[in-house]
Amino acid sequence: KAGVTQTPRYLIKTRGQQVTLSCSPISGHRSVSWYQQTPGQGLQFLFEYFSETQRNKGNFPGRFSGRQFSNSRSEMNVSTLELGDSALYLCASSPRQESINTEAFFGQGTRLTVV
Amino acid sequence: GDSVTQMEGPVTLSEEAFLTINCTYTATGYPSLFWYVQYPGEGLQLLLKATKADDKGSNKGFEATYRKETTSFHLEKGSVQVSDSAVYFCALRGAAGNKLTFGGGTRVLVKP
Repeated sequence: KAGVTQTPRYLIKTRGQQVTLSCSPISGHRSVSWYQQTPGQGLQFLFEYFSETQRNKGNFPGRFSGRQFSNSRSEMNVSTLELGDSALYLCASSPRQESINTEAFFGQGTRLTVV
Repeated sequence: GDSVTQMEGPVTLSEEAFLTINCTYTATGYPSLFWYVQYPGEGLQLLLKATKADDKGSNKGFEATYRKETTSFHLEKGSVQVSDSAVYFCALRGAAGNKLTFGGGTRVLVKP
């Protein structure tokens, strides 16, 4: 069974631009979550999508948004990029809407560098 | 809110040494606890988990026991290998279940 696939793996953007990252969950998984990993802040939750609906959102500005399609694939978008948005963005998939016992399976991440 | 504290690294060990990484947490109710491992240039891999007090999670020689009384979930391995060099993250999923809260990560370097 294929794992979580994130594309692209690496991305370089200029301040002020916008970027879209893609995540394909494990086949049959319906929940997708996004996390930002930086050296300073560590791993922080961005949002969770289940059945094409955003179920939960972390403490990030409105420049960060996402969506989920009917095939459970998800995209996240960051508009008006800032230098501080440089990070590894990780996507995780779960079979169902996340609950206390849910295991999350992570992709390899997209490394975004803002210059 | 929920939080996870783990020992800062790097932890440098020789092959076949004993590894312990301390992890303590703060959460309301009874969270589920996880250890994830991140190899260089990779995403996170689930190493083990425990969902209730006194549960022991184990995988690939690693073990961790859910200690409710000390709010801890320390990771141990009896004999490390060079291939265990990675960053280890302790995490919890609280009663709301809606997100993972991670510790800051502990880098482990195993030398031959």
